[in-house]
Order: sequence, then structure tokens, then C-alpha cells
Amino acid sequence: GENVEQHPSTLSVQEGDSAVIKCTYSDSASNYFPWYKQELGKGPQLIIDIRSNVGEKKDQRIAVTLNKTAKHFSLHITETQPEDSAVYFCAALYSSASKIIFGSGTRLSIRP
Amino acid sequence: NAGVTQTPKFRVLKTGQSMTLLCAQDMNHEYMYWYRQDPGMGLRLIHYSVGEGTTAKGEVPDGYNVSRLKKQNFLLGLESAAPSQTSVYFCASSYQGAWQETQYFGPGTRLLVL
Repeated sequence: GENVEQHPSTLSVQEGDSAVIKCTYSDSASNYFPWYKQELGKGPQLIIDIRSNVGEKKDQRIAVTLNKTAKHFSLHITETQPEDSAVYFCAALYSSASKIIFGSGTRLSIRP
Repeated sequence: NAGVTQTPKFRVLKTGQSMTLLCAQDMNHEYMYWYRQDPGMGLRLIHYSVGEGTTAKGEVPDGYNVSRLKKQNFLLGLESAAPSQTSVYFCASSYQGAWQETQYFGPGTRLLVL
């Protein structure tokens, strides 16, 4: 079935360290994988996305990697800062059903 | 631009009452969506619209109805609220008729059904 699993559900890292969030998906035909950041009391906001024709994409301190063979993709945040504290959601586009399925979210906390 | 706005921000209903959540976007987007967010379950699609006058069911449509009479507005209705509909509701929109587009989310409506 259509499913996106996200781990861990909570993550606490020291300021300045790196954070990694992993997601797996079930549909081998998926070809679009966005990541959203949700700050307290706000709606999710797209921070980075990747399409199946590339294996990695970077935007300053944020990077996403994609392994289509293993059907998993990951978000990497380097040199974490207090403003990185938020809930992060991965998602995958299921083309056959024309819809995006979201993971269950990861609450990231940055310790000072 | 205000982006995506939602009204109300918070509402308490009694079981069996009805209400309508309003979503408005000023970005001339074709696609609009309604999601619900529950703890540990991420975002689940309720209904969506690919253009004015059209609507379609998402993952969890039961108990909800929608209408898209104007391109900029997408309404979500609860005809007879149930405690299971206690949730945070998010509206989103995206530019063109393709799912590989950035979705822009509103700030959410927190609904409590007693």
C-alpha cells in the first residue's frame, strides 16, 4: 500500500552538531520527495525537495539524499542552530494515485 | 500577498453541530487541499480541488464535504461533528495542475469537538 515511514519521531542534538532524519517509501514509481518544516503554531513550509533523476541536493546547511534502489531518502542538517528546532515532515508523490503521502513527522530539538 | 489564510483559527463544537472552515489564497493557484493533522500521524489529505468547480476525495474524506465555487476559496464543511474530528486542519494550495509543485500551507484551524 501507499506508505511513508519516518524515523526517528523525536531527535535532540547539540547546537552545532548534525541531524539526520530518514524516510522510506513503498511505491517504486514515486519520483518526487519534498521535505517540510513546521514551526510551533504555523503551517508546514517546504524547505527542500528532490526528484528521482538526482541522488543528492544541497541548499546551504540542508541536504537531501535519495536511494531509489532501497526506496529511502534522508534529510541532513549540518551545523544546527536553535532556529532549526521544529517538526520536519518527509513526503513522497505516489503518481499512480496522484497524491502526496506524508510521513508522521520528526520533532527536532536543538540543545544550547 | 497574504498567501494562504484560514478562518477561524480555533473553534469548539458540540457533537452533532455543523460548521464550515474557510480557506482563501491570493496566489492564483489552481490546486487547493484540505489536510488534517493528528499526533503521530502526520498530515492526511481529506479532499482536494484541481480547479474552480471541481473537487475530489483524498485519504480520509468521510464526514467532510467541500466546495470550490471560486478559484481563490476552498471550503471544508462538517455536517455533523464527531469527537473523532478533533484535529488541526490545514489548507494548502499549489500553482499548476501537477502534483510535483510546492504546496503552500495556511496557519491551521484547531477544532475541538466535545
